[in-house]
Order: sequence, then C-alpha cells, then structure tokens
Amino acid sequence: DIQMTQSPSVLSASVGDRVTLNCKASQNINKYLNWYQQKLGEAPKLLIYNTNNLQTGIPSRFSGSGSGTDYTLTISSLQPEDVATYFCFQHNSWPLTFGSGTKLEIK
Amino acid sequence: EVQLVESGGGLVQPGRSLKLSCAASGFTFSNYYMAWVRQAPKKGLEWVATISTSGSRTYYPDSVKGRFTISRDNAKSSLYLQMNSLKSEDTATYYCARHDFDYWGQGVMVTVSS
Repeated sequence: DIQMTQSPSVLSASVGDRVTLNCKASQNINKYLNWYQQKLGEAPKLLIYNTNNLQTGIPSRFSGSGSGTDYTLTISSLQPEDVATYFCFQHNSWPLTFGSGTKLEIK
Repeated sequence: EVQLVESGGGLVQPGRSLKLSCAASGFTFSNYYMAWVRQAPKKGLEWVATISTSGSRTYYPDSVKGRFTISRDNAKSSLYLQMNSLKSEDTATYYCARHDFDYWGQGVMVTVSS
C-alpha cells in the first residue's frame, strides 16, 4: 500500500501569510494527487486535482505542485475562512489512500 | 447541480449488518464510477469501495474486503454499501462520492456498539 505522509500535522499562521503544506508518498504516484479541505462538520471539498489543477470555484490563492513522491499545496495569502484540515489523496494505485491531514489554524 | 444524499446509517451491534444507500442527481449517474469513503470520529479519511459504471468491477481495501459489498442501480441513480460482520472499528461517517472524488455527499453516521 502507498503511505501518504503529511507535514506538518498542525500549522499556525497569520492572515495574509503564504502557507505551504506538504505531502510525501511512499512511492511514485505519477502526479495522481488531490488536495481536499475539510471544515468542521462538513464533507471534504476538492481543491486541487492531479497535482496542480484548480477545481472549479476554488479561489486562485490555492495552488498545487509536485511530482514523483513529493507534493505541495500552497495558499498564497491566508484568509480566515481557510481554517480547516487539509488532506492529500493518491489515486494512482489500489488501495487508494489519504494522508492523515494538516490542521491549519490562524494565529 | 450534483447532489449525493446518503441514508441508512444508525446504531448497530457488532457482528450485525447494515445497508447504506446514496441517491444521486444532477449528473448522468451511469457514466461514472462511484465510491464510498469513511471517516472515523476525529480521524482521517479511508477509501472503502469503488464500483465501475456497469457494476461489473468492484474494488476494496483489505480492511473491508469480504465483509462489505458495493453495488448500484443505474435505473434508480442509486449507490449502495452492504456492510456485514460489522466491527467497532467500522464506526465512522460514511460518504458517497463520484470516483473522480470531486463531489461528495454530506455523510451518514454508522455506530457499531453493543
């Protein structure tokens, strides 16, 4: 199984900061990597698919990059509404697996 | 507008069975692979099952293989998850999703406890 490791587990930043979340796969996932935002009590929301494609309706301050085993979600200017847990997800091979999440807080 | 609405959750004793349903609308259901994903309380996400457009192919992780069965009725635009031999570790919110994992339902809670 492919293990997805996210770092940090908790990130505290100020409004307006540039924020970077990391996701490392235990083997090459060929850019089949999605990012999700989950707010308390809600279903996950797709932000980025296949590494760097912004889902329709998602603000352009969100972007993704990476290749091979290492992937990054960047928020260019953190907003109060971005408080949430962020999950990465590989759909390159079975079983499909999620990272354990990064909880993003506002300082 | 794409909508996925789960139902059928509740409290069930260990070893018993439960069947979840997901009603889909706003897209051509028969054109999409569909999936179930679960999330234990205050935990991360776990993919549970995927089914092909016709239902002829299904995929499961080892944690549920042999106990859970995903199925679909394209005429009713509905997805199902039959869960047998339930364990306490199956306690979670279960989400129905398109296999593109772009649209998700609101989730339904399943609690396995005596």
